[in-house]
Amino acid sequence: DSGVTQTPKHLITATGQRVTLRCSPRSGDLSVYWYQQSLDQGLQFLIHYYNGEERAKGNILERFSAQQFPDLHSELNLSSLELGDSALYFCASSARTTGELFFGEGSRLTVL
Amino acid sequence: AQSVTQLGSHVSVSEGALVLLRCNYSSSVPPYLFWYVQYPNQGLQLLLKYTSAATLVKGINGFEAEFKKSETSFHLTKPSAHMSDAAEYFCAVSDAGYSSASKIIFGSGTRLSIRP
Repeated sequence: DSGVTQTPKHLITATGQRVTLRCSPRSGDLSVYWYQQSLDQGLQFLIHYYNGEERAKGNILERFSAQQFPDLHSELNLSSLELGDSALYFCASSARTTGELFFGEGSRLTVL
Repeated sequence: AQSVTQLGSHVSVSEGALVLLRCNYSSSVPPYLFWYVQYPNQGLQLLLKYTSAATLVKGINGFEAEFKKSETSFHLTKPSAHMSDAAEYFCAVSDAGYSSASKIIFGSGTRLSIRP
C-alpha cells in the first residue's frame, strides 16, 4: 500500500460527458502529480501541483483541468470526453526531500 | 527539456539469466534518474534512484543501475532473473532534482518476461 488513494477505480462513461477523478496523497506529501497511461502513448505527465499551486504542466489537453485543495487532495476534471481519453489515470505524491513518487492504483476510464 | 528513451519494448530472458534493461536520457541540467516497476493491475513503485552521489546505484529485489554521463545512460541490471521479476519497467528523469517545480518524465516502458 503506497498510501495514495484514488477514486473511483473504474469508470465507464459516454463521449461528451465530464468526469472527476480524485486523489488523496500520502500523509504529509505536498506534491501531487497526474499521469495518463495508455497503450499507444505510454505514461504521459499531465500536471504537478505543490501545496495548492500548479508547478509544472505537461501534455494536458485544454479539456482537462486539475486543482489541489487546502487539505492537499487533488481532482482531475476531464470534460467533453472522447474515445481516445480512455486510459488509466495515475496520481502520485512525493515528499520534497526524497523525490520518490508514490503512485496510487489508478483510475481506469472507459469512454464508450 | 528532458526525455528518456528505453530501448526494447519487450525483453525476454530465462530464469537465472542476466537481466539488462536499457535507458538513455537527455537533460539540459544534471539529471535525477529513477527506475520504477509496475506489476499487473498495480501502480508504479520505485526500484532505485540516482542522486549524483554514487554512479552505481543498488535498489530493491537485487536490481542495480549504473549512471554513465559520457553515454547518457542509466541501464538497469540484475545478475539472475526470477519468475517474480516479470513486470513492466520504466526509466524516468527529472531535470529539477527534488524541487517542487519538477516534472518527472517517464520512458515508454519495457515489459520483462521470464522463461522457465
